[in-house]
Amino acid sequence: GQNIDQPTEMTATEGAIVQINCTYQTSGFNGLFWYQQHAGEAPTFLSYNVLDGLEEKGRFSSFLSRSKGYSYLLLKELQMKDSASYLCAVKNDSWGKLQFGAGTQVVVTP
Amino acid sequence: GAVVSQHPSWVICKSGTSVKIECRSLDFQATTMFWYRQFPKQSLMLMATSNEGSKATYEQGVEKDKFLINHASLTLSTLTVTSAHPEDSSFYICSAIDRGGYTEAFFGQGTRLTVV
Repeated sequence: GQNIDQPTEMTATEGAIVQINCTYQTSGFNGLFWYQQHAGEAPTFLSYNVLDGLEEKGRFSSFLSRSKGYSYLLLKELQMKDSASYLCAVKNDSWGKLQFGAGTQVVVTP
Repeated sequence: GAVVSQHPSWVICKSGTSVKIECRSLDFQATTMFWYRQFPKQSLMLMATSNEGSKATYEQGVEKDKFLINHASLTLSTLTVTSAHPEDSSFYICSAIDRGGYTEAFFGQGTRLTVV
């Protein structure tokens, strides 16, 4: 079967760092995406990893280990506006078909 | 990044009627578009893959006669929910791929469908 697992919810304080883990077992792999989704809105693109290693983009970084079927999204210097659901998604084929995890709700507290 | 426009943002319809949702790529040619459905507090579930000029490919468990998808041009795909029922109430989101350019798929704003 195909599985993408990530924690349901994480809580952290403003200014802190939070790491959201994602493990996957899929029939195909052509890259892993992280999206941010606020309630009632469409997902917005955060990062894309296709090779092993760390990709840094401002306050957000994403890591991939293909041999372990593992990725994480690191959010630094948390702000209240970062409270949202973070979706891990695996691209199964070269056409762009994405399989999503259930999402991790991040709650940032003052 | 590229822009995908989805219309309408929200719609309320009576049970038994049909609703059409449009997904347009505004500044690129989308040879492939995807339609997702998302129930409250759940993740996005892929419904179908739409390729320009050919029939859509539906995921297992999705009724193709109920969810009609048309991708007649490189910039427009439509999803029609036929004979809608309250259980079809959901958030529907499209995404589009520009295979000649960007790596990621770009999402439309989503359509909140409520069937009463």
